[in-house]
Amino acid sequence: DQQVKQNSPSLSVQEGRISILNCDYTNSMFDYFLWYKKYPAEGPTFLISISSIKDKNEDGRFTVFLNKSAKHLSLHIVPSQPGDSAVYFCAASDGNEKLTFGTGTRLTIIP
Amino acid sequence: DTGVSQNPRHKITKRGQNVTFRCDPISEHNRLYWYRQTLGQGPEFLTYFQNEAQLEKSRLLSDRFSAERPKGSFSTLEIQRTEQGDSAMYLCASSASLGGHTEAFFGQGTRLTVV
Repeated sequence: DQQVKQNSPSLSVQEGRISILNCDYTNSMFDYFLWYKKYPAEGPTFLISISSIKDKNEDGRFTVFLNKSAKHLSLHIVPSQPGDSAVYFCAASDGNEKLTFGTGTRLTIIP
Repeated sequence: DTGVSQNPRHKITKRGQNVTFRCDPISEHNRLYWYRQTLGQGPEFLTYFQNEAQLEKSRLLSDRFSAERPKGSFSTLEIQRTEQGDSAMYLCASSASLGGHTEAFFGQGTRLTVV
């Protein structure tokens, strides 16, 4: 039972354009959502998070949008840079602090 | 370096052997988590500690797996009688419990290969 889904295994975006990564969840008890970035052979690095009481959170080039009624969140990266090429994981928590992760989206930024 | 530290980074072991991994969390963090990641999947929760107390264990954590955090600082994860299916990246993370949600910071992981 995949409670957090990232339906796009990969995404390619031109440098300078906007990257949009999507995530859907099924558990309505999730109330905190996070995005992590992962390079090969390294652990995930925290990027940005959002609480369920908000619908948007912004940090520099990264913005996360949450649509609770659709159980959908997205990560926008603008402008995209070559260093953004990595695997991005969406994760969710229901208040007990353990994270449930999606399967990841591999983002490739094309110079 | 003040991040989460995991040792060893890589471990190759023969099936049936026992292995132990160590995690040193960020010093002021009282919560420590273990996750496992296999190829093509996201990290899967195994267990977590608040200080020295182990508060939750996933059903993924069979009786061959044991985790400890004896003094509320570093943690060890032991796998007894390893099987080929145990081959994975084992990730440790820590966070500070401040009364609300906080992000977990991950170490670089220990890659286990069981041959």
